[in-house]
Amino acid sequence: TQLLEQSPQFLSIQEGENLTVYCNSSSVFSSLQWYRQEPGEGPVLLVTVVTGGEVKKLKRLTFQFGDARKDSSLHITAAQPGDTGLYLCASTLETSGSRLTFGEGTQLTVNP
Amino acid sequence: KAGVTQTPRYLIKTRGQQVTLSCSPISGHRSVSWYQQTPGQGLQFLFEYFSETQRNKGNFPGRFSGRQFSNSRSEMNVSTLELGDSALYLCASSLGWSREETQYFGPGTRLLVL
Repeated sequence: TQLLEQSPQFLSIQEGENLTVYCNSSSVFSSLQWYRQEPGEGPVLLVTVVTGGEVKKLKRLTFQFGDARKDSSLHITAAQPGDTGLYLCASTLETSGSRLTFGEGTQLTVNP
Repeated sequence: KAGVTQTPRYLIKTRGQQVTLSCSPISGHRSVSWYQQTPGQGLQFLFEYFSETQRNKGNFPGRFSGRQFSNSRSEMNVSTLELGDSALYLCASSLGWSREETQYFGPGTRLLVL
């Protein structure tokens, strides 16, 4: 059973389109992190959200943390080919100690 | 500041062999965590070491082991390799004082078991 569920698993869009990726859990997140991973590399941290209802922006990326701290979303505006990669949500769930638990990931392809 | 480094980057082994992977954390980081990434299971936590002691362990068989040295460098060993051990093995380092700290990942070691 996946503790963190991401959707969609795959997303292929055209340059300039908007998209949203979701991350949900039945457990409460102590904090939630979003990573991006490119082929042959390790995940790179994009943002950490901590407070319920929090919204963070990173250029064209907007991250939201649900009020109950059980869900999060990543919205990309006007996607570019450079946004292509595997997007992962992760958390140190309150039930799992200090280790990171990852979602399955969303493989995003932005076509020029 | 140099990032997390992992060696080797690529490795090919045959079933039954054993393998040792190495991870050098960011200078000053005392926690090193190891993860296995496969297409079917995604990223799964193997174990965490802090100050030369295993502090946390995931749900992997005893064939997977690790250790940490006094300079915080860590090694991971897999004995009696199986085909299913083919994966990208990632290590991540952090200061280690709080579970909320950011973990910084290395580029990984891609292991292929034939």
